[in-house]
Amino acid sequence: QSVLTQPPSVSAAPGQRVTISCSGSSSNIGTNYVSWYQRLPGTAPKLLIYDDNKRPSEVPDRFSGSKSGTSATLGISGLETGDEADYYCAIWDSSLSSVLFGGGTRLTVL
Amino acid sequence: QLVESGGGVVQPGGSLRLSCATSGFTFKSYGMQWVRQAPGKGLEWVAIIWPDGTEDYYGDSVKGRGTISRDNSESTVFLEINRLTADDTGVYYCARVRYALVRGVLIPYYFDYWGQGALVTVSS
Repeated sequence: QSVLTQPPSVSAAPGQRVTISCSGSSSNIGTNYVSWYQRLPGTAPKLLIYDDNKRPSEVPDRFSGSKSGTSATLGISGLETGDEADYYCAIWDSSLSSVLFGGGTRLTVL
Repeated sequence: QLVESGGGVVQPGGSLRLSCATSGFTFKSYGMQWVRQAPGKGLEWVAIIWPDGTEDYYGDSVKGRGTISRDNSESTVFLEINRLTADDTGVYYCARVRYALVRGVLIPYYFDYWGQGALVTVSS
């Protein structure tokens, strides 16, 4: 059981918007920066969001990040079938001196 | 570029040593880490090492069995795990670590480049 809690799965139709939550605690999300990763089937994880809400230049602006208190959210708008993947939040936990990954959320684009 | 090597089939109770050769950036300026994914499971953090190698930390699953190290002259990071069990089976990824200064303390805060992974199977 992960210290960072994500929903196991979400789904939505092409063109719609979906959000994926990541719930933590004061020693991780409440203190440090959240990042998000996309893992397409059979590929290495790819950085989507860092510093809670910043996107690398090559990531489309359909992807967004936000944080409030001890929870973070990844938003994906204008869903495409190519967005079907597993999504993970991650953070450094200052109390545990550990990197934490959420359990992952599988996105299905119906 | 990050390229892992050293994967394969290993017997239970044995050891593995993975390497991650890097290029295209100033290796000594970045932290490095290992993350693994067991079949059908999510990403699991394994270990991290600071840019100068002075600090390293481990996930609970390998604490006491694993060692992360780096050779800044060769731009390579290593992972050794002893006393392997079937639970160590999976794809092992190395990743570059970016740091942030938070209230005067350097902390890891995202992982921007990843290798393609090395498959390790622990089986007799």
